[in-house]
Amino acid sequence: ETGVTQSPTHLIKTRGQQVTLRCSSQSGHNTVSWYQQALGQGPQFIFQYYREEENGRGNFPPRFSGLQFPNYSSELNVNALELDDSALYLCASSFVLAGYNEQFFGPGTRLTVL
Amino acid sequence: DQQVKQNSPSLSVQEGRISILNCDYTNSMFDYFLWYKKYPAEGPTFLISISSIKDKNEDGRFTVFLNKSAKHLSLHIVPSQPGDSAVYFCAASLASGGSNYKLTFGKGTLLTVNP
Repeated sequence: ETGVTQSPTHLIKTRGQQVTLRCSSQSGHNTVSWYQQALGQGPQFIFQYYREEENGRGNFPPRFSGLQFPNYSSELNVNALELDDSALYLCASSFVLAGYNEQFFGPGTRLTVL
Repeated sequence: DQQVKQNSPSLSVQEGRISILNCDYTNSMFDYFLWYKKYPAEGPTFLISISSIKDKNEDGRFTVFLNKSAKHLSLHIVPSQPGDSAVYFCAASLASGGSNYKLTFGKGTLLTVNP
């Protein structure tokens, strides 16, 4: 069974640029969520995708957008990067079932915005 | 507005002793709680969870206790091992229906187990 994978591992961008981060869900999972973890903080929910549609969004501006593909892989796109976007971006996959919400995380992508 | 709080940034214990990590929450709608462990340069790893219909759940050396009236949960690790040294995150969610999506995390507690 393959776990959640993310690419790239590290990324350096400059302010104003755009970035795309990628995630492959764990086998058998149908839902993917993205989280942002700033230094010294817990992960903050960005949004979730279920059956290729957004299924909930946290307090992040529209320049954060995403996609889920038929094979349950996913992308996180961030436009007009700001310095505060520097963080660890975590992807988590799960099999949504009422009463259970264990989400399994990938290793993350470390984004640095200069 | 921090709905999940881990008030101890760090905890240090001796190998073989009990580690107790605490977590408080403010949103009474939360009904599913999870603990994750995170090593540097890795993503969070799921440890154990508990539904609000229970007050205790055990898995090997890990036990989670839930006190709904106090809006408090704790993770007990017995016996503690040096490999348990990591950051531990408490997370909460709504378990039921269409809201089964968002995990709300605390800031984490760094556990150090000394040999």
